[in-house]
Formats: sequence, structure tokens, C-alpha cells
Amino acid sequence: SQKIEQNSEALNIQEGKTATLTCNYTNYSPAYLQWYRQDPGRGPVFLLLIRENEKEKRKERLKVTFDTTLKQSLFHITASQPADSATYLCALVNEKLTFGTGTRLTIIP
Amino acid sequence: ETGVTQTPRHLVMGMTNKKSLKCEQHLGHNAMYWYKQSAKKPLELMFVYSLEERVENNSVPSRFSPECPNSSHLFLHLHTLQPEDSALYLCASSQDYNSGTSDTQYFGPGTRLTVL
Repeated sequence: SQKIEQNSEALNIQEGKTATLTCNYTNYSPAYLQWYRQDPGRGPVFLLLIRENEKEKRKERLKVTFDTTLKQSLFHITASQPADSATYLCALVNEKLTFGTGTRLTIIP
Repeated sequence: ETGVTQTPRHLVMGMTNKKSLKCEQHLGHNAMYWYKQSAKKPLELMFVYSLEERVENNSVPSRFSPECPNSSHLFLHLHTLQPEDSALYLCASSQDYNSGTSDTQYFGPGTRLTVL
């Protein structure tokens, strides 16, 4: 069956370090992959999209990689700040958009 | 108003009540979605409307009834709900449906529903 797994339910990172979140999938052939940020009690907010033929995408302090051989996407936040604390969701698109369960990231001052 | 708005933000209802959730998008999008988000579960897609026609209905119990009167408004009518229906209900819109990158979702703030 199709499955999307995000590496851990919760991740604590020291301020200033790079936070790396993982999204693994099985039995999918996604055309592209998206990352969203969700704050408590709010709806997810779109951050980045990466296509299957792209290896890497950057936006300010954010970087996403997409390895279709490993069936994995990595989401990096460099120079992390307490304001980056949130839940981050990956979402895969083949015929439709399907979300992972999310990783709750806490940046510790 | 900009983006996607939802009302009410919080709702407490008994199992015998009837209530409705409202969503409005101000983005000129053609597709609108209802999602359910429960603790420690992925977002569950409930319904999709594209150009005011329902295009997906993912095995949702009949006690949830969607309505899309026009491309900017989406309702979710609730009746005889169960306590396990308590969750955050999110509305989203996208430029188009099932058309590649235009599927990027823009979410509202959600309605926190509690069923007693």
C-alpha cells in the first residue's frame, strides 16, 4: 500500500543549527512533492514545491532535496530560529495530493 | 478579506444538533476542498469540488454533507455527529484540480469541532 513517513513526530534543534526533516515514501511515483508549515490551531501554509526531475530547490533559508531513487525528500532550515518552530508536512502528488503526518520542530534558544 | 476564511473558528455541538461550517476563498480559484485533521493522523481529504461540481468523495459518512453554491463558497453541513468526529476541519482551495502544480493548496484557519 502507499505510505508516506516523516522521520520523527518531534525534533528539537538548537537555535542557529540546521534542522533536517525527512519524508520517505513507498509505492508512489510522485510527479512532485510539496512542503507545508502548520502552526498550532492554524491551517498549513505552502512553502516549497520540487518536481521529480529537480534535485534541489532553495528559498531563503530553506532547502529541499528530492531523491526518486531513495524515495526520499529532505527539508533543511539553515540558521534556525525559534520562530521556525512549527509542524512541517510533506505532501506528494501523483494523481492527487496526499499529506504525511508531519514533524513537530522546536528550535531551542 | 484575503485568502481563505472559515467560520466559525470553534464549534461545540451535541450529537443530535445540526450545524454548518462555512468556507470562503478570495483567490479566484476553481477547486475547493474539505479536510479533517485529527491528532497524530495525516490530513484526511473528505471532499473536492472543481468548478462547483463534486469530483471526490472519499468514503465520508453521510452525516457530513458538502455544498458548493458557487466557486467562492463551500459549506459542510453536519448532523447527528459522533464524538470521534471531533477534529480540526480545514478548508482549502487551489487554482485548479488534478492539474499538476496548480494543485498547490491554500488553507483556511480551520474550525475546531468538539462533539459532546
